[in-house]
Amino acid sequence: QSALTQPPSASGSPGQSVTISCTGTNSDIGGYNYVSWYQQHPGKAPKLMIFEVSKRPSGVPDRFSGSKSGNTASLTVSGLQAEDEADYYCNSYAGSNNFVIFGGGTKLTVL
Amino acid sequence: EVQLLESGGGLVQPGGSLRLSCAASGFTFSNYAMSWVRQAPGKGLEWVSSISSSDTAYTYYTDSVKGRFTISRDNSKNTLYLQMNSLRAEDTAVYYCAKSAGGNYWPYRYGMDVWGQGTTVTVSS
Repeated sequence: QSALTQPPSASGSPGQSVTISCTGTNSDIGGYNYVSWYQQHPGKAPKLMIFEVSKRPSGVPDRFSGSKSGNTASLTVSGLQAEDEADYYCNSYAGSNNFVIFGGGTKLTVL
Repeated sequence: EVQLLESGGGLVQPGGSLRLSCAASGFTFSNYAMSWVRQAPGKGLEWVSSISSSDTAYTYYTDSVKGRFTISRDNSKNTLYLQMNSLRAEDTAVYYCAKSAGGNYWPYRYGMDVWGQGTTVTVSS
């Protein structure tokens, strides 16, 4: 069960947009529209930000958006704010054998 | 308030056992699939196991814990469990329990929308 591939870090200035990628295979991201994204601040539990590739749970600002192309999913944070600085993890269904896999995480820094 | 509270973590020697518990409140526990997710020190999230909502519970495990860990639930006590046997150093992590957002749907469908604060398991001699 290999983890999905995310860049270790990303950054942007307040007000800018930043996109975090998450690359998998035809057996996970490319095969299903079941990609989620989680935000985790240091010492805190993860928070669900996106599910089913692009849907936002209630309460999540519309500055957060998700998309997918082929085997790569992306999370875009628009209008960056200081509180967006956190670790972000993608997650995908990987079939009945591997079930659920996470990406390695991306540390987002707001400059 | 919807809440999950893990307990049972601690220091255990390699080869030892621990049972983690996750007490749920503020929602109808029996209607939701549940999961355990762990995070090794300084590392990323790793899905460990999931269980369906029903008493005839369907379960899934990540390969590295198959045959060693058992997930279970007691809907009468609103509690999720993770029995961990034959523990290894690489099992050292903070263990989170998490609620599926979509009722009995598996966590990959609608995500996991409620998480506990985590309980720390350290496997060391």
